[in-house]
Amino acid sequence: QKEVEQNSGPLSVPEGAIASLNCTYSDRVSQSFFWYRQYSGKSPELIMSIYSNGDKEDGRFTAQLNKASQYVSLLIRDSQPSDSATYLCAVIQDSNYQLIWGAGTKLIIKP
Amino acid sequence: DGGITQSPKYLFRKEGQNVTLSCEQNLNHDAMYWYRQDPGQGLRLIYYSQIVNDFQKGDIAEGYSVSREKKESFPLTVTSAQKNPTAFYLCASSSWVNTEAFFGQGTRLTVV
Repeated sequence: QKEVEQNSGPLSVPEGAIASLNCTYSDRVSQSFFWYRQYSGKSPELIMSIYSNGDKEDGRFTAQLNKASQYVSLLIRDSQPSDSATYLCAVIQDSNYQLIWGAGTKLIIKP
Repeated sequence: DGGITQSPKYLFRKEGQNVTLSCEQNLNHDAMYWYRQDPGQGLRLIYYSQIVNDFQKGDIAEGYSVSREKKESFPLTVTSAQKNPTAFYLCASSSWVNTEAFFGQGTRLTVV
């Protein structure tokens, strides 16, 4: 079973700063990577998907993928208290196309 | 509106009883999944289905059963054999196996 690793946190960031969330994965040939946000008691919602090396920007969110180093990160610019949530990293395992989930990083944005 | 509907949102079950959680999607997605989430934990895969009338066990299938008689529906039965069923259950779907998954609002099951 391939693995996806995230720091559980909590990661505390001041309002207005950049929050940086990291994820490493063990399946070297994985091609598809996703970031989900999960508020307490709610279901995960997709924020970003990334498939190619480099950066992908969507509003205040930037996903970064480095396949050689096997990590994917999520940057949140101008962090807001409403960004406080658990962020889940998910990777599609190439051998059977299953989504493998990290345990999530809890992010707290302090006003 | 397209989406994934889980029902009920909250469910209470007595020990020894089977209970069925509903999951319906109108996104025309081929693949559907059931996950379990315990407090402070990540998602664990129970069962998944890539096509009608076919499904596969995930990492924690013991004590659970599913069916996939229609493309839109993927109900999960929590049987009395499941020793610790109290958890948050999430249903998801994706257009195919190599694409992003979308989630229903979840069912919180409590054994009383």
